[in-house]
Amino acid sequence: GAVVSQHPSWVICKSGTSVKIECRSLDFQATTMFWYRQFPKQSLMLMATSNEGSKATYEQGVEKDKFLINHASLTLSTLTVTSAHPEDSSFYICSARDGQGAQETQYFGPGTRLLVL
Amino acid sequence: GQNIDQPTEMTATEGAIVQINCTYQTSGFNGLFWYQQHAGEAPTFLSYNVLDGLEEKGRFSSFLSRSKGYSYLLLKELQMKDSASYLCAVMDSNYQLIWGAGTKLIIKP
Repeated sequence: GAVVSQHPSWVICKSGTSVKIECRSLDFQATTMFWYRQFPKQSLMLMATSNEGSKATYEQGVEKDKFLINHASLTLSTLTVTSAHPEDSSFYICSARDGQGAQETQYFGPGTRLLVL
Repeated sequence: GQNIDQPTEMTATEGAIVQINCTYQTSGFNGLFWYQQHAGEAPTFLSYNVLDGLEEKGRFSSFLSRSKGYSYLLLKELQMKDSASYLCAVMDSNYQLIWGAGTKLIIKP
């Protein structure tokens, strides 16, 4: 099946620094990728929808200037957490959409753990 | 390699019971998750199993056997709103999530 990778797997950084997380679709092209945030044993919270070649669509309450999303190619989307603070510590998961309509499938990445000290 | 297997699609009748199986082979094990995802929506957390046995939560139950690398999600008294994709995910020794491809459950009246 299709594979989605994320890099890095773990990030520990100091408060105030920026962190970039990459999401790649390894064997298919994804015009749409999604970024989620997950708290322990809770549902995935959709942060934004990333469309190749256009601006990302952010969910209500998600600061677009803090969580910068770039989807420069059909296989890569990046999420940059700018000026990270301890409350940004979380598990960030991306997914990539393959196919359209009834044939659409969403593949999830392994996640990136961010710890801001 | 790491692998999660679950059926691609299942069909069941409203009011009935359905069991969705998930088998896994991963490097280490730190728990297994089940999520429900309706089309166009984010996955909703259903259950987390880290010890062997059955966990019941209302109409939904989840079972885990670590020795067999096997889990199932049991849905009782099926309702039309249960039509969705059900995702099985295992957290490996690096606390990374390994995802199954999801099982599309179709409920018929």
